[in-house]
Amino acid sequence: GQNIDQPTEMTATEGAIVQINCTYQTSGFNGLFWYQQHAGEAPTFLSYNVLDGLEEKGRFSSFLSRSKGYSYLLLKELQMKDSASYLCAVLDSNYQLIWGAGTKLIIKP
Amino acid sequence: GAVVSQHPSWVICKSGTSVKIECRSLDFQATTMFWYRQFPKQSLMLMATSNEGSKATYEQGVEKDKFLINHASLTLSTLTVTSAHPEDSSFYICSAPGTVSYNEQFFGPGTRLTVL
Repeated sequence: GQNIDQPTEMTATEGAIVQINCTYQTSGFNGLFWYQQHAGEAPTFLSYNVLDGLEEKGRFSSFLSRSKGYSYLLLKELQMKDSASYLCAVLDSNYQLIWGAGTKLIIKP
Repeated sequence: GAVVSQHPSWVICKSGTSVKIECRSLDFQATTMFWYRQFPKQSLMLMATSNEGSKATYEQGVEKDKFLINHASLTLSTLTVTSAHPEDSSFYICSAPGTVSYNEQFFGPGTRLTVL
């Protein structure tokens, strides 16, 4: 079966760095997405990785290792507004998005 | 980027009534749209894939007679929850793949349905 695992909840301090991991087992791979979702809102796109390596975009970076079925989202200089759920999703061989359950990130002052 | 809208943003209805949710691609054409449901503290669950001009493809466990999907044009897909019950209360989100690459996904803002 297809499976995506990510931690349920993480806590970090304002101004610090946090890494959210995601491991996946899917039928085929056409890329991995990270989305941010605030409570009561739809997900918003953060990043897309299809090749191995690190993609940096401002305070957020995303890493992918296809051989290990592993990705992480790195958030630097955390701000209170970064408190949200972070969803990992993989596009499988049928171009269908397989979603992780999301990681709730709590930022403390 | 492309914009997807949903209407209504939220709706409260009585048990047994039907509710229609619209999903529109505002500045691009979408031959395919996806309908998701999200319960509190859970991830998105794909309900069905809506295809313009043909029948929708439903995921296992989703009742096609209860969740009617109509994709009548290249910019509009509708989801009708028929004979709604309190357990249908959820956050319904649609998305559409971009025209440049199927790897893009544009989400609507979601519809909060509460069935009393």
